[in-house]
Amino acid sequence: GQQVMQIPQYQHVQEGEDFTTYCNSSTTLSNIQWYKQRPGGHPVFLIQLVKSGEVKKQKRLTFQFGEAKKNSSLHITATQTTDVGTYFCAGPRGGSNYKLTFGKGTLLTVNP
Amino acid sequence: NAGVTQTPKFRVLKTGQSMTLLCAQDMNHEYMYWYRQDPGMGLRLIHYSVGEGTTAKGEVPDGYNVSRLKKQNFLLGLESAAPSQTSVYFCATSRSETQYFGPGTRLLVL
Repeated sequence: GQQVMQIPQYQHVQEGEDFTTYCNSSTTLSNIQWYKQRPGGHPVFLIQLVKSGEVKKQKRLTFQFGEAKKNSSLHITATQTTDVGTYFCAGPRGGSNYKLTFGKGTLLTVNP
Repeated sequence: NAGVTQTPKFRVLKTGQSMTLLCAQDMNHEYMYWYRQDPGMGLRLIHYSVGEGTTAKGEVPDGYNVSRLKKQNFLLGLESAAPSQTSVYFCATSRSETQYFGPGTRLLVL
């Protein structure tokens, strides 16, 4: 079945350093979404990418969707302690846009 | 406007006991989902519903049942709890692709 792989599983950085997490799908995706889960919290939607090669920015966060629509990345510039949490990518499951397959997530910790 | 709420927030069960987790939403979304989250496993879909009166199996449905008698509520039942069902359970809703999650229920089965 469809798989969505995320690397790395964990990343620890010093505050101010950059951070990147990568997402790879075994199949071509119609879109990809990113969610953030703070420790002890619930996943919260960040963004959706739809177009091949699309790049979107949210302040210090940059999201990219690969040309082949099988991979994506999230890059955080100059991390802050508020960036701590687990970042998940998710793609449509089984051709249905309302069901998602989530990657296992990347846990980001930031040392102040 | 509460969004998505889950009841209870935390529960301890003994093996073999039963319980029902309630998810309620006031966003008038058609789609509702139950996930479980375990360390290192990400979010795994248990069951989902595409509208009132409908339910369908997800990725890990064994040991769980669901019902969607009203559009705003989605119930997850454990008929005979097992230690392997110790997890954090999240309900989510959506109108299309984006999903909105509830705060979660932490379940410990002894």
